[in-house]
Order: sequence, then structure tokens, then C-alpha cells
Amino acid sequence: GENVEQHPSTLSVQEGDSAVIKCTYSDSASNYFPWYKQELGKGPQLIIDIRSNVGEKKDQRIAVTLNKTAKHFSLHITETQPEDSAVYFCAAFRDYQKVTFGTGTKLQVIP
Amino acid sequence: KAGVTQTPRYLIKTRGQQVTLSCSPISGHRSVSWYQQTPGQGLQFLFEYFSETQRNKGNFPGRFSGRQFSNSRSEMNVSTLELGDSALYLCASSPRPENTEAFFGQGTRLTVV
Repeated sequence: GENVEQHPSTLSVQEGDSAVIKCTYSDSASNYFPWYKQELGKGPQLIIDIRSNVGEKKDQRIAVTLNKTAKHFSLHITETQPEDSAVYFCAAFRDYQKVTFGTGTKLQVIP
Repeated sequence: KAGVTQTPRYLIKTRGQQVTLSCSPISGHRSVSWYQQTPGQGLQFLFEYFSETQRNKGNFPGRFSGRQFSNSRSEMNVSTLELGDSALYLCASSPRPENTEAFFGQGTRLTVV
């Protein structure tokens, strides 16, 4: 089955700096890659996603890149703010149905 | 538009009992999926329903089951509870059958004692 590895497990950055979280997947048939943000006591919130026919997608301060050949995708957050502090999960979907999540990255933005 | 609603928010059960959790999706969403979240195993996919049919199932024992009603509301049931079933159970709904762009509820925190 699919295996998704996520790094780093924890990340501390100064406010205003950039943060990058990376995920690798094993199943070349995976075709949809969302990123979720989970704040304490809440369910995960979809923040950005990318499909296998696209190499990069950007939404304001957040961007995701996908390298299908290397089977990895990354989340980039620029100009980080304290409210970006949360746990971030990547996921890989196969056939848009079967999903495997990464183990999560706890991001701390230091004011 | 109301979000995904899960009830109850918290639940304490004894080993051997069974439990039923409920999920009301966003209005108009017909796909509902369930996930188990634990510190040790992370987020794991349980199953997914679309139009009252289970379309996918994760690697969980048969004690975990679910169903979806004609109004898209879904329930999941865990029988013969074990201590290891203690977790946050999350439900997500999607507007499309391919289960993308999922919107999560706040979850039900189940504690088995």
C-alpha cells in the first residue's frame, strides 16, 4: 500500500520567515495531494491541494510543489505569522479515494 | 452554510461495550469519510460513503462499521471496544464522489476505560 513520509516532525521559525514541509510518497498511482492544518481541539482544515497534472500551486502566502518523478511534494509558507502555528498534515490520494496521511509537522512561529 | 457536525463531542465507554458516532455533512455534500486519529498512529482512513454505499475501506477490523442514510448523514459503530480504540474520530464531507476537498468536523473524542 501507499506510504507517506513527512518531515520535519517539528519546525520552529521566527515570525516573517518562511517554512517548508516535505512529504514523499511511494505509490506512483497517487494523483491528489492535499495539505491540512489542524489547530488544537479542531478538525483538520484543507489549506491547499494539488493534482498530479500540476507542478505548482499558490494561494497568497501558501504554495505547494509536486515532483512526480521523485514522488515528493512540499508545502511552502512565506511571511509566517503566529496564527500559522498548528500541526500540518500532508496526504496522498490514489484514484481520488484511497488516502494515506503523513505523520504531521508541528509548526511553531515565534513572535 | 453550517459545517460538518459530529456528535457527541466526547464519549467515555467501558471495554467490551459498543458505541455509535454520528456525522452530519455540509448541506449538499454526498460523500462522507471517517478517520481515526491517535498520537501513535496519526490519521488513518476508516471508510468512505457516497450515496449510501461504502466505496472504500481502510485497514481496520470488522468491529468498525458504518452506514450512510438517504439524507447523507452517516454513523459509525465500533463494537466490543478495546482500550486501543481510544482516539479522536473525525468525519469529513466532500461535494464530489471522488472524496477530494474534504471538510472535517471537530471530531468525537472517544475514551475507552
